[in-house]
Amino acid sequence: AQSVTQLGSHVSVSEGALVLLRCNYSSSVPPYLFWYVQYPNQGLQLLLKYTSAATLVKGINGFEAEFKKSETSFHLTKPSAHMSDAAEYFCAVSDSWGKLQFGAGTQVVVTP
Amino acid sequence: SAVISQKPSRDICQRGTSLTIQCQVDSQVTMMFWYRQQPGQSLTLIATANQGSEATYESGFVIDKFPISRPNLTFSTLTVSNMSPEDSSIYLCSGRDRGPIETQYFGPGTRLLVL
Repeated sequence: AQSVTQLGSHVSVSEGALVLLRCNYSSSVPPYLFWYVQYPNQGLQLLLKYTSAATLVKGINGFEAEFKKSETSFHLTKPSAHMSDAAEYFCAVSDSWGKLQFGAGTQVVVTP
Repeated sequence: SAVISQKPSRDICQRGTSLTIQCQVDSQVTMMFWYRQQPGQSLTLIATANQGSEATYESGFVIDKFPISRPNLTFSTLTVSNMSPEDSSIYLCSGRDRGPIETQYFGPGTRLLVL
């Protein structure tokens, strides 16, 4: 069965600093991996997805994630945080039926 | 990508009553799902909504409590029955598209408070 673990339930970053959100997965088959963002009082928005075409995946809003099979990781980064990046971020893995298993989420706070 | 809408966006209900949430997708999707997000927590899959047949429920969720319909490819409803305060959550529907990597897109959610 697939699962994901997000390290750190809360991350605080300064505006302009690097954003790094960690996600490790467990999967018995090559995984489909996703990062979603949830802004306050909104639904989930897809940031990016791993398609196996490239290990470095670029998403919206300047985010990217690198798939590392040897480390079973899919960490999300953004070089320079913006105040508008304050939100909750979820890593998810899809099983062969297309059902998503979500991590616990990481709340990002951006300080001026 | 699919655009998904939900109605109502929020509601406050009395215990013992039922609420039906509607989910509309703007394009045909292969599958539709319903999730629950309890306060401060991640998403938990309730069930897969199957067109024209009974939904497939995850462990811990039953049809009597969460009846689901999907009469066509772009519409589904979730009913939260005989509500209690423990049902206070955000309920989200999603649709999986037909792309090479089938991706789920989410509605804005329905925020339910049960008193």
